[in-house]
Amino acid sequence: AQRVTQPEKLLSVFKGAPVELKCNYSYSGSPELFWYVQYSRQRLQLLLRHISRESIKGFTADLNKGETSFHLKKPFAQEEDSAMYYCALSSRLIWGAGTKLIIKP
Amino acid sequence: DSGVTQTPKHLITATGQRVTLRCSPRSGDLSVYWYQQSLDQGLQFLIQYYNGEERAKGNILERFSAQQFPDLHSELNLSSLELGDSALYFCASSPGFVGYEQYFGPGTRLTVT
Repeated sequence: AQRVTQPEKLLSVFKGAPVELKCNYSYSGSPELFWYVQYSRQRLQLLLRHISRESIKGFTADLNKGETSFHLKKPFAQEEDSAMYYCALSSRLIWGAGTKLIIKP
Repeated sequence: DSGVTQTPKHLITATGQRVTLRCSPRSGDLSVYWYQQSLDQGLQFLIQYYNGEERAKGNILERFSAQQFPDLHSELNLSSLELGDSALYFCASSPGFVGYEQYFGPGTRLTVT
């Protein structure tokens, strides 16, 4: 079955600490994976997509086909990173349940 | 501002009633998607329309239906409402029907009492 799994509903880290938001997928084809972010009282917006391989707001995500993962990482968390993060398999419109990231001062 | 608009912002209605949510996509976008976001279920994809035709269906209940009109705006109809339908309903749009970035609207908060 095709699915996207974000195992952590809530992740809390201290400011300045590294952050890793996990995303695992199950898909037999070539995946097109995205990370979306929803800041408090704002609409969902694209953070990054695997195909562009760029870094946005210090976040990066590498597609690991062997481990079927697309984890989102940032070396030094900032308070403004507190938000809800969703991993999505674009080609099948399958979304993970989301991880709420809280950055503690 | 993504360019996607949704009306109304808030809606309060009673169980058993029917409501219509409206979405206007970004100029030039042909795809419209509908999502339901509730506290316990996260973001659930409901349905996608592309240039007036249904393209993909997610976890949409039979009590719910949608359509996309020739001017590309879309409406989501929710009928026989239940308390559990209370949620934030998002609309998103994209230029194509697969693999594109989706631009989200601000959402309609539906409260069923």
